[in-house]
Amino acid sequence: DSGVTQTPKHLITATGQRVTLRCSPRSGDLSVYWYQQSLDQGLQFLIQYYNGEERAKGNILERFSAQQFPDLHSELNLSSLELGDSALYFCASSVGDDEQFFGPGTRLTVL
Amino acid sequence: GENVEQHPSTLSVQEGDSAVIKCTYSDSASNYFPWYKQELGKRPQLIIDIRSNVGEKKDQRIAVTLNKTAKHFSLHITETQPEDSAVYFCAASIGFAGNQFYFGTGTSLTVIP
Repeated sequence: DSGVTQTPKHLITATGQRVTLRCSPRSGDLSVYWYQQSLDQGLQFLIQYYNGEERAKGNILERFSAQQFPDLHSELNLSSLELGDSALYFCASSVGDDEQFFGPGTRLTVL
Repeated sequence: GENVEQHPSTLSVQEGDSAVIKCTYSDSASNYFPWYKQELGKRPQLIIDIRSNVGEKKDQRIAVTLNKTAKHFSLHITETQPEDSAVYFCAASIGFAGNQFYFGTGTSLTVIP
C-alpha cells in the first residue's frame, strides 16, 4: 500500500457523460500527478499540481480538467466522454523531487 | 521538454539469465532517474533510482547505471526469476520540488521458467 488512495476503483459510464475521479495523496505530499494508461500503453502524463497550484501540463485534452483542493486531495474531471477515454487513470504523489507513489488507479470504461 | 526513449519494448529471457533495459534522455538538466515495475493490473512501483552524481547503484539482483555524457541509463536484472515478469518503465526528471517525470514507453519482460 503506497498511502495514495483513489476512488472509485471502477467506473462504467456511457459516451457523452461526465465523471470525476478522486485522489488523496500521502500525508505530507504536496505534489499530485495524474496519468492515463490505455490498454498495453505507457503512462501518459496529464497534469501536475503542487500545493494547490497547477505546475505542469502534459497531453491533457480540453475535455479534461483537474484541481487540487486546500486539503491537497485532487479531482480529475472528464467530460463529453468518448470510447477512447476508456483507460486506467493513476494518481501519484510526491513530497519533493524524488519518488512518486502511485495510487491503485481508477479503471474507466466508456460504453 | 525532455524526451525519454526506452528499448526494447519486449524482452524474453530464460530464468536465471540477465535482462538489460536501456533508456536515453534528451535534457542534460535531468538529474533523477527512477525505474518502476508494473505487474499486470497493478500500480507502478519504484524498484530503484539513481541521481546524476552517481554512476551506478545496486540493490541485490537489480542495478542501474548512468552515463551522463551519453545521456543514457540502463536497468540490469541478474538471475532473473518468473516473478520478475512485468512491465518496466524508466523515467527522467529535473529534480526540484514538484517536478514532472518523463516516462519511457515501457518494456514488457517475460521470464521463461
